[in-house]
Amino acid sequence: AQSVTQPDIHITVSEGASLELRCNYSYGATPYLFWYVQSPGQGLQLLLKYFSGDTLVQGIKGFEAEFKRSQSSFNLRKPSVHWSDAAEYFCAVEGDSWGKLQFGAGTQVVVTP
Amino acid sequence: EPEVTQTPSHQVTQMGQEVILRCVPISNHLYFYWYRQILGQKVEFLVSFYNNEISEKSEIFDDQFSVERPDGSNFTLKIRSTKLEDSAMYFCASRSLAGTGELFFGEGSRLTVL
Repeated sequence: AQSVTQPDIHITVSEGASLELRCNYSYGATPYLFWYVQSPGQGLQLLLKYFSGDTLVQGIKGFEAEFKRSQSSFNLRKPSVHWSDAAEYFCAVEGDSWGKLQFGAGTQVVVTP
Repeated sequence: EPEVTQTPSHQVTQMGQEVILRCVPISNHLYFYWYRQILGQKVEFLVSFYNNEISEKSEIFDDQFSVERPDGSNFTLKIRSTKLEDSAMYFCASRSLAGTGELFFGEGSRLTVL
């Protein structure tokens, strides 16, 4: 069965510092991979997605993620965080069924001045 | 930018009552989904819907749940007799194409069952 692991429940980062959020997945083939962000009281907004091709994908808000097949990882990065990046971030995998995403537990990001 | 809209944003109900959560997907989308997120837990898939029928449903989606597309724009989730454990944020999502189309999520409907 496929699964998604986000090892970090909570990360605190200073404004202007770099951010990396980890995501590992377990799936037989190469799944479709997503990162979503959820700000307080808001819905899930897609940051970026990987389906195939270039393993470094660019997303919105200055985020990027790198798919590493050998490590079954899809880590999210941002070189310099802004206070508005404080939110919860979810990694998700789409495997066998279209639209049936399996989400990780999420990583809460706190940005300090 | 087109968006998925959900109503109500928050509903409080008594255990055993019926609840209908409503969603207006993006107009040219063909695939519709409900997910839920119990407080402090993962976002979970409930059901997918295409061509006026359920494509797939999870173990959570038991006989108490039903979905319907009553007209050309709305997509509803009905919980027939709510239980305390149905308290969660329910997200509607839609997509235009299978495979490479992304899921667009609504802002969610928070259901509180007392």
